[in-house]
Amino acid sequence: QVQLVQSGAEVKKPGASVKVSCKASGYTFTSYDINWVRQATGQGLEWMGWMNPNSGNTGYAQKFQGRVTMTRNTSISTAYMELSSLRSEDTAVYYCARVFYDFWSGYSSYNWFDPWGQGTLVTVSS
Amino acid sequence: QSALTQPASVSGSPGQSITISCTGTSSDVGSYNLVSWYQQHPGKAPKLMIYEVSKRPSGVSNRFSGSKSGNTASLTISGLQAEDEADYYCCSYAGSSNVVFGGGTKLTVL
Repeated sequence: QVQLVQSGAEVKKPGASVKVSCKASGYTFTSYDINWVRQATGQGLEWMGWMNPNSGNTGYAQKFQGRVTMTRNTSISTAYMELSSLRSEDTAVYYCARVFYDFWSGYSSYNWFDPWGQGTLVTVSS
Repeated sequence: QSALTQPASVSGSPGQSITISCTGTSSDVGSYNLVSWYQQHPGKAPKLMIYEVSKRPSGVSNRFSGSKSGNTASLTISGLQAEDEADYYCCSYAGSSNVVFGGGTKLTVL
Protein backbone atom coordinates (compact mmCIF):
# COMPACT_ATOMS: atom_id res chain seq x y z
CA GLN A 1 0.00 0.00 0.00
CA VAL A 2 1.05 3.60 -0.49
CA GLN A 3 2.92 4.74 2.60
CA LEU A 4 5.06 7.63 3.79
CA VAL A 5 7.31 6.98 6.78
CA GLN A 6 9.03 9.90 8.45
CA SER A 7 12.14 10.12 10.59
CA GLY A 8 12.02 10.35 14.35
CA ALA A 9 11.61 13.23 16.76
CA GLU A 10 14.30 15.89 16.97
CA VAL A 11 15.38 18.37 19.63
CA LYS A 12 17.31 21.39 18.40
CA LYS A 13 18.70 24.56 19.87
CA PRO A 14 17.67 27.98 18.58
CA GLY A 15 19.65 28.94 15.51
CA ALA A 16 20.30 25.36 14.47
CA SER A 17 18.89 23.49 11.46
CA VAL A 18 16.80 20.35 11.26
CA LYS A 19 16.39 17.90 8.39
CA VAL A 20 13.33 15.63 8.35
CA SER A 21 13.06 12.68 5.99
CA CYS A 22 10.03 11.08 4.38
CA LYS A 23 10.45 7.64 2.82
CA ALA A 24 7.87 6.64 0.23
CA SER A 25 6.80 3.12 -0.65
CA GLY A 26 4.06 1.41 -2.64
CA TYR A 27 4.19 3.70 -5.66
CA THR A 28 6.58 5.32 -8.12
CA PHE A 29 8.24 8.03 -6.04
CA THR A 30 8.99 10.33 -8.96
CA SER A 31 5.38 10.44 -10.18
CA TYR A 32 3.79 12.52 -7.40
CA ASP A 33 4.70 15.80 -5.73
CA ILE A 34 5.48 15.77 -2.01
CA ASN A 35 4.29 18.59 0.24
CA TRP A 36 5.27 19.56 3.76
CA VAL A 37 2.77 20.80 6.33
CA ARG A 38 3.43 21.65 9.96
CA GLN A 39 1.26 21.91 13.05
CA ALA A 40 2.24 23.59 16.30
CA THR A 41 0.79 22.05 19.44
CA GLY A 42 -2.89 22.84 19.68
CA GLN A 43 -2.78 24.87 16.48
CA GLY A 44 -3.91 24.46 12.89
CA LEU A 45 -2.22 23.13 9.80
CA GLU A 46 0.28 25.34 7.99
CA TRP A 47 1.44 24.60 4.46
CA MET A 48 5.18 24.99 3.91
CA GLY A 49 5.77 24.04 0.31
CA TRP A 50 6.00 21.36 -2.35
CA MET A 51 8.63 19.45 -4.29
CA ASN A 52 8.48 17.54 -7.56
CA PRO A 53 10.61 14.43 -6.94
CA ASN A 54 11.19 13.92 -10.66
CA SER A 55 12.59 17.35 -11.54
CA GLY A 56 13.54 18.55 -8.09
CA ASN A 57 11.52 21.71 -8.66
CA THR A 58 10.17 23.31 -5.52
CA GLY A 59 7.72 25.96 -4.37
CA TYR A 60 7.80 27.43 -0.89
CA ALA A 61 5.29 29.41 1.11
CA GLN A 62 6.43 33.01 1.35
CA LYS A 63 6.72 32.74 5.12
CA PHE A 64 9.44 30.09 4.83
CA GLN A 65 11.36 31.29 1.80
CA GLY A 66 15.03 31.60 2.60
CA ARG A 67 14.77 29.20 5.55
CA VAL A 68 13.38 26.01 4.05
CA THR A 69 14.93 23.64 1.53
CA MET A 70 13.13 20.61 0.09
CA THR A 71 15.21 17.94 -1.62
CA ARG A 72 15.03 14.29 -2.52
CA ASN A 73 17.08 11.16 -3.14
CA THR A 74 15.30 9.20 -5.85
CA SER A 75 17.53 6.14 -5.41
CA ILE A 76 15.96 5.54 -1.99
CA SER A 77 12.55 7.14 -2.64
CA THR A 78 13.04 9.67 0.11
CA ALA A 79 12.12 13.33 0.38
CA TYR A 80 13.72 15.76 2.81
CA MET A 81 12.71 19.04 4.40
CA GLU A 82 15.41 21.16 6.01
CA LEU A 83 14.51 24.19 8.09
CA SER A 84 17.27 26.53 9.22
CA SER A 85 17.68 29.34 11.77
CA LEU A 86 15.29 27.56 14.08
CA ARG A 87 13.41 29.49 16.74
CA SER A 88 11.03 28.41 19.47
CA GLU A 89 8.03 29.16 17.24
CA ASP A 90 9.18 26.39 14.90
CA THR A 91 8.36 23.77 17.53
CA ALA A 92 5.75 21.68 15.78
CA VAL A 93 4.87 18.36 14.22
CA TYR A 94 6.04 18.32 10.62
CA TYR A 95 4.14 16.17 8.10
CA CYS A 96 4.98 15.13 4.57
CA ALA A 97 2.04 14.41 2.30
CA ARG A 98 1.77 13.13 -1.25
CA VAL A 99 -0.39 14.88 -3.77
CA PHE A 100 -3.65 13.01 -4.38
CA TYR A 101 -4.36 12.06 -7.99
CA ASP A 102 -7.92 11.50 -9.18
CA PHE A 103 -7.60 8.64 -11.63
CA TRP A 104 -11.13 9.15 -12.96
CA SER A 105 -10.57 12.71 -14.06
CA GLY A 106 -6.84 12.41 -14.53
CA TYR A 107 -6.39 15.50 -12.45
CA SER A 108 -4.59 16.52 -9.27
CA SER A 109 -4.20 19.78 -7.43
CA TYR A 110 -1.58 21.41 -5.25
CA ASN A 111 -3.93 21.29 -2.27
CA TRP A 112 -5.09 17.66 -2.39
CA PHE A 113 -2.98 15.58 -0.02
CA ASP A 114 -3.20 11.83 0.47
CA PRO A 115 -1.61 9.95 2.09
CA TRP A 116 0.25 11.70 4.89
CA GLY A 117 3.28 10.63 6.85
CA GLN A 118 2.93 9.94 10.56
CA GLY A 119 4.50 13.26 11.51
CA THR A 120 7.82 14.23 13.09
CA LEU A 121 7.96 16.32 16.25
CA VAL A 122 10.63 18.98 16.14
CA THR A 123 11.27 20.73 19.44
CA VAL A 124 13.32 23.91 19.50
CA SER A 125 14.57 24.70 22.97
CA SER A 126 17.67 26.10 24.58
CA GLN B 1 -1.51 34.68 2.42
CA SER B 2 -4.09 34.72 5.24
CA ALA B 3 -5.64 31.54 6.56
CA LEU B 4 -9.16 30.68 5.48
CA THR B 5 -11.80 31.42 8.13
CA GLN B 6 -13.56 28.55 9.85
CA PRO B 7 -15.69 28.51 13.01
CA ALA B 8 -13.63 27.39 15.98
CA SER B 9 -16.16 24.80 17.01
CA VAL B 10 -19.43 23.16 16.02
CA SER B 11 -21.45 20.48 17.74
CA GLY B 12 -24.32 18.15 17.05
CA SER B 13 -26.10 15.12 18.43
CA PRO B 14 -25.81 11.64 16.93
CA GLY B 15 -27.92 11.31 13.82
CA GLN B 16 -28.08 15.04 13.21
CA SER B 17 -26.40 16.99 10.42
CA ILE B 18 -23.85 19.75 10.81
CA THR B 19 -22.19 22.13 8.38
CA ILE B 20 -18.76 23.70 8.68
CA SER B 21 -18.09 26.84 6.68
CA CYS B 22 -14.79 27.94 5.20
CA THR B 23 -14.52 31.52 3.99
CA GLY B 24 -11.72 32.72 1.80
CA THR B 25 -11.32 35.41 -0.83
CA SER B 26 -11.66 35.87 -4.55
CA SER B 27 -7.95 34.94 -4.78
CA ASP B 28 -8.34 31.46 -3.37
CA VAL B 29 -11.68 29.76 -2.63
CA GLY B 30 -13.57 32.04 -4.99
CA SER B 31 -11.23 31.53 -7.92
CA TYR B 32 -10.72 27.79 -7.93
CA ASN B 33 -13.06 24.79 -7.62
CA LEU B 34 -10.29 22.88 -5.85
CA VAL B 35 -11.20 23.06 -2.17
CA SER B 36 -10.29 20.04 -0.06
CA TRP B 37 -11.29 19.03 3.47
CA TYR B 38 -9.32 17.05 6.04
CA GLN B 39 -10.34 15.20 9.19
CA GLN B 40 -7.84 14.94 12.01
CA HIS B 41 -8.28 12.88 15.16
CA PRO B 42 -6.11 13.73 18.19
CA GLY B 43 -2.53 12.60 17.75
CA LYS B 44 -3.14 11.40 14.20
CA ALA B 45 -2.23 12.64 10.74
CA PRO B 46 -4.94 14.42 8.75
CA LYS B 47 -7.09 12.38 6.35
CA LEU B 48 -8.45 13.61 3.02
CA MET B 49 -12.26 13.61 3.14
CA ILE B 50 -13.28 15.86 0.23
CA TYR B 51 -11.43 17.14 -2.84
CA GLU B 52 -12.38 19.33 -5.76
CA VAL B 53 -15.10 20.93 -3.59
CA SER B 54 -17.45 17.95 -3.49
CA LYS B 55 -15.74 14.70 -4.47
CA ARG B 56 -15.02 11.92 -2.01
CA PRO B 57 -11.95 9.68 -2.19
CA SER B 58 -12.60 5.96 -2.24
CA GLY B 59 -13.48 4.71 1.23
CA VAL B 60 -14.90 7.96 2.59
CA SER B 61 -18.48 7.69 3.78
CA ASN B 62 -21.18 9.35 1.68
CA ARG B 63 -22.33 11.06 4.89
CA PHE B 64 -19.63 13.60 4.07
CA SER B 65 -20.42 16.13 1.35
CA GLY B 66 -18.96 19.42 0.19
CA SER B 67 -20.16 22.48 -1.65
CA LYS B 68 -19.09 26.00 -2.54
CA SER B 69 -20.75 29.31 -3.16
CA GLY B 70 -18.68 32.33 -4.02
CA ASN B 71 -15.81 32.69 -1.57
CA THR B 72 -17.26 30.21 0.94
CA ALA B 73 -16.94 26.43 0.91
CA SER B 74 -18.87 24.13 3.20
CA LEU B 75 -18.52 20.63 4.58
CA THR B 76 -21.70 18.86 5.66
CA ILE B 77 -21.74 15.71 7.76
CA SER B 78 -25.08 13.95 7.93
CA GLY B 79 -26.14 11.21 10.33
CA LEU B 80 -23.51 12.26 12.87
CA GLN B 81 -21.66 9.44 14.56
CA ALA B 82 -19.39 9.41 17.58
CA GLU B 83 -16.36 8.67 15.43
CA ASP B 84 -16.90 11.89 13.47
CA GLU B 85 -15.71 13.86 16.49
CA ALA B 86 -12.45 15.38 15.27
CA ASP B 87 -10.87 18.55 13.93
CA TYR B 88 -11.71 19.52 10.37
CA TYR B 89 -9.64 21.71 8.07
CA CYS B 90 -10.47 23.21 4.72
CA CYS B 91 -7.73 23.89 2.20
CA SER B 92 -7.65 25.86 -1.03
CA TYR B 93 -5.32 26.48 -3.92
CA ALA B 94 -4.36 30.15 -3.88
CA GLY B 95 -2.67 30.54 -7.23
CA SER B 96 1.02 30.63 -8.19
CA SER B 97 1.61 27.17 -6.68
CA ASN B 98 0.47 28.37 -3.24
CA VAL B 99 -1.83 26.61 -0.79
CA VAL B 100 -3.73 27.92 2.22
CA PHE B 101 -5.45 26.07 5.05
CA GLY B 102 -8.33 27.12 7.24
CA GLY B 103 -7.80 27.60 10.96
CA GLY B 104 -9.64 24.38 11.77
CA THR B 105 -12.97 23.51 13.39
CA LYS B 106 -13.43 21.23 16.35
CA LEU B 107 -16.49 19.03 15.94
CA THR B 108 -18.05 17.73 19.14
CA VAL B 109 -20.64 14.96 18.98
CA LEU B 110 -22.87 15.48 22.01
